[in-house]
Amino acid sequence: GAVVSQHPSWVICKSGTSVKIECRSLDFQATTMFWYRQFPKQSLMLMATSNEGSKATYEQGVEKDKFLINHASLTLSTLTVTSAHPEDSSFYICSASMERGVKETQYFGPGTRLLVL
Amino acid sequence: RKEVEQDPGPFNVPEGATVAFNCTYSNSASQSFFWYRQDCRKEPKLLMSVYSSGNEDGRFTAQLNRASQYISLLIRDSKLSDSATYLCVVNPPTYKYIFGTGTRLKVLA
Repeated sequence: GAVVSQHPSWVICKSGTSVKIECRSLDFQATTMFWYRQFPKQSLMLMATSNEGSKATYEQGVEKDKFLINHASLTLSTLTVTSAHPEDSSFYICSASMERGVKETQYFGPGTRLLVL
Repeated sequence: RKEVEQDPGPFNVPEGATVAFNCTYSNSASQSFFWYRQDCRKEPKLLMSVYSSGNEDGRFTAQLNRASQYISLLIRDSKLSDSATYLCVVNPPTYKYIFGTGTRLKVLA
């Protein structure tokens, strides 16, 4: 149980293109989904927290107009990198949790590698 | 001071060895703690949760020391397949995971 999928697994695109990444919880309903970014040899950095039916909460320094998050249902969240530039190249990982609070456990998707040329 | 600190390693150990990693955290109000394993170019996978005084799962033992604000991970009888980066994760009252930078382990044949 607790499987999270992400699609696509990798993307290569030209500068200026918008890229959409999907995150799905396959066998559970996720109260919350999280989007992270990881640069080489660095830790995962939380970009935003998303709850179904409400606006995402972005971390400091993350541009909400640049990284659009839509959480359409309890099993699907999408991240759109708008007008991507080479500095947006990174490993984007989503996670989903079933409950908030002390016992919350996040289950991670397999990640999406984005390369912007 | 970083919110979560880990020794980046790498720790190079022979097969069969016992190895331990520590992780310190700064927010004393943190309630839950985890160890995740991340293989190269892959997503993190939950290894163990550490909720109170620690727990054990096979060759892996996690301990929590609230007074000193650190958690540890002990791996006994290391296998080649244990080679990975081990991420310490702290869940403070904001309920957002804070990741350490990870400790690289390489088990040598």
